[in-house]
Amino acid sequence: KQEVTQIPAALSVPEGENLVLNCSFTDSAIYNLQWFRQDPGKGLTSLLLIQSSQREQTSGRLNASLDKSSGRSTLYIAASQPGDSATYLCAPYTGGFKTIFGAGTRLFVKA
Amino acid sequence: GAVVSQHPSWVICKSGTSVKIECRSLDFQATTMFWYRQFPKQSLMLMATSNEGSKATYEQGVEKDKFLINHASLTLSTLTVTSAHPEDSSFYICSVRPGTGSYEQYFGPGTRLTVT
Repeated sequence: KQEVTQIPAALSVPEGENLVLNCSFTDSAIYNLQWFRQDPGKGLTSLLLIQSSQREQTSGRLNASLDKSSGRSTLYIAASQPGDSATYLCAPYTGGFKTIFGAGTRLFVKA
Repeated sequence: GAVVSQHPSWVICKSGTSVKIECRSLDFQATTMFWYRQFPKQSLMLMATSNEGSKATYEQGVEKDKFLINHASLTLSTLTVTSAHPEDSSFYICSVRPGTGSYEQYFGPGTRLTVT
């Protein structure tokens, strides 16, 4: 059974800092891994999708890496901004219908 | 990416009444849709998998007679919370995952249900 852990659970940083959010998962037989952003009271927005054959994906100030063999992924946010404040969730996909989410990292970027 | 809509975005109902939430896949045909529930400051929990033209598959602990799911077309799934109680107050989110290509998962904007 897949278990997903995200560290840290919460993070508060001043604007401009570079951040690393960590995700670890127990079942490394994944098809892909997605990083999502969730704003309070909103649905999930997909930020990055990394296929199992890839090592990293980049979108703007975001970079996600994947080490499938060790069951780890990191989301790197460069030059953080107050608008980045949200909860970030990782979701490794092992096929079938059920997606197991981590509990998320709640990020607050202070202006 | 796929676009998923939900209606309503929020609803308040009285205890004992039923409320229906719609989930639409706007730009591709979804044979399968997923319903999640999220309580405050908690992660998403899968409630059920909605299958077009057949019965939904419910996760353990989810009452199928309370949370009725109908997936009558390839673009629409509905979740009806029957005889709602205050403990059913939650954020309900639907999701689709195209069965081809990247297997990326897309989420609707969610429906906030408050039962008074």
